[in-house]
Amino acid sequence: IVLTQSPGTLSLSPGDRATLSCRASQSVYNDYLAWYQQKPGQAPRLLIYGASDRATGIPDRFSGSRSGTDFTLTISRLEPEDFAVYYCQQYGTSPPWTFGQGTKVEIK
Amino acid sequence: EVELLESGGGLVQPGGSLRLSCAASGFSFRTYAMSWVRQAPGKGLEWVSAITGSGGNTYHADSVEGRFTVSRDNSKNTLFLQMDSLRPGDTAVYYCARRGIPGAFDLWGRGTIVTVSP
Repeated sequence: IVLTQSPGTLSLSPGDRATLSCRASQSVYNDYLAWYQQKPGQAPRLLIYGASDRATGIPDRFSGSRSGTDFTLTISRLEPEDFAVYYCQQYGTSPPWTFGQGTKVEIK
Repeated sequence: EVELLESGGGLVQPGGSLRLSCAASGFSFRTYAMSWVRQAPGKGLEWVSAITGSGGNTYHADSVEGRFTVSRDNSKNTLFLQMDSLRPGDTAVYYCARRGIPGAFDLWGRGTIVTVSP
C-alpha cells in the first residue's frame, strides 16, 4: 500500500487549525492507520492509531478520521510544541508496513 | 521506566557488516513483536525488519532482504539487527520500535546512527 501525504509543508500560526491528509492507494485493512509526530533530533511519537483513536497521553486537540481511502489528521488549535513533521503509516496484519513521506507543519 | 535503547551504530565501509542491538526495559519484552525502522538523512521513515514475540517469524523489506537479519534474545530482553553487505544507501538513523496492540508502533528508541562510507 502506498501512502501519499499532502501538503508537503503547511505554514500556519499558533492557534490555527491544521488539516493533514494521507491518501492510501488501496483499502487499509481494519483502519490500521496510524499518525506519528517527529521533532528534530527525536524519535517519532505515536499520536493516533486505528485511524481515530488517540494514543495514551495525547491531547484531545489531535483527532483522526477516514473517508474511503483518505485519512485526515486534524490539530484543532496549534500549540507551539505542535510544529513538527507528521507521518501516517499503515500497519496491517503482516508486513511490509509503509509510511507516508511526511508533512511538515511550520510556523508562518 | 518503559524504554528502548539502541546501540551498535557507527562508520563502516561499503560491503562491511554491523550488528545493532536494542535493549528493552520496563515491559514484558517477549509479549511484543518488534521492528526496526530507519531514516536516511533529511528523509522520511522506512520500515526495515520485524520479528514476532517468540522470534519464530521474521520479515524484511525488499530493500534489505538477503542482507539484513533480525533476531531477538528474550532471556536478555534484547533485539538485534545483523547488517551485512552494507551500501551507502543504508546510511540512516536506525530506530527499534515496539509493535503495540493492535499494531501501531507505540514505543520507540532514540536511534543509533549508521554511516556507510569509504
